[in-house]
Amino acid sequence: GAVVSQHPSWVICKSGTSVKIECRSLDFQATTMFWYRQFPKQSLMLMATSNEGSKATYEQGVEKDKFLINHASLTLSTLTVTSAHPEDSSFYICSARVHYRSYNEQFFGPGTRLTVL
Amino acid sequence: AQTVTQSQPEMSVQEAETVTLSCTYDTSESNYYLFWYKQPPSRQMILVIRQEAYKQQNATENRFSVNFQKAAKSFSLKISDSQLGDTAMYFCARRGPHTGTASKLTFGTGTRLQVTL
Repeated sequence: GAVVSQHPSWVICKSGTSVKIECRSLDFQATTMFWYRQFPKQSLMLMATSNEGSKATYEQGVEKDKFLINHASLTLSTLTVTSAHPEDSSFYICSARVHYRSYNEQFFGPGTRLTVL
Repeated sequence: AQTVTQSQPEMSVQEAETVTLSCTYDTSESNYYLFWYKQPPSRQMILVIRQEAYKQQNATENRFSVNFQKAAKSFSLKISDSQLGDTAMYFCARRGPHTGTASKLTFGTGTRLQVTL
């Protein structure tokens, strides 16, 4: 199957700093990537849909200026949490969509755990 | 809102036994896709099984099978011969037929499955 990587796998930062999370499709090109947020023992909540070469589409209630998404190439999307605060601490998961075995399949990255002190 | 409901927060099954996880959903579309994803303690999301709504035949993948009742909007997952490695959080998800940004996965709240000796 297709592989999606995320870097870093975990990060601890001070309140007020910015953190960048990378999502890469390793063996395929993805025109569309998705960013999710998952709180402990909860489901995945879609934050935004990222399309290569265009602006991301954010879900209702997600602050565009706080969660900056850049899909610069067909294999890389980044999520930058700007001026992070403790309430931004969460598990962030990306996924990439590709046409695979006649389906439009989504493959998920392993996630990034963000802790803001 | 097109929701996905999993009414069983936690379930337990003995090794080698069979367990069924329930899922219901709401949609106004006639064609769509349904999924079961597994999230083990590693937090990596893994696709277990996929069902296309226009197909009447229930999908099967080795020990995993679904009972898809389109009229009732029900999509349950049956795990046969349960193994310790099946211990995980299981999420039911729905996605529309389109390939554009409207085609997003909507996840249920999850069912935590514990397989015991």
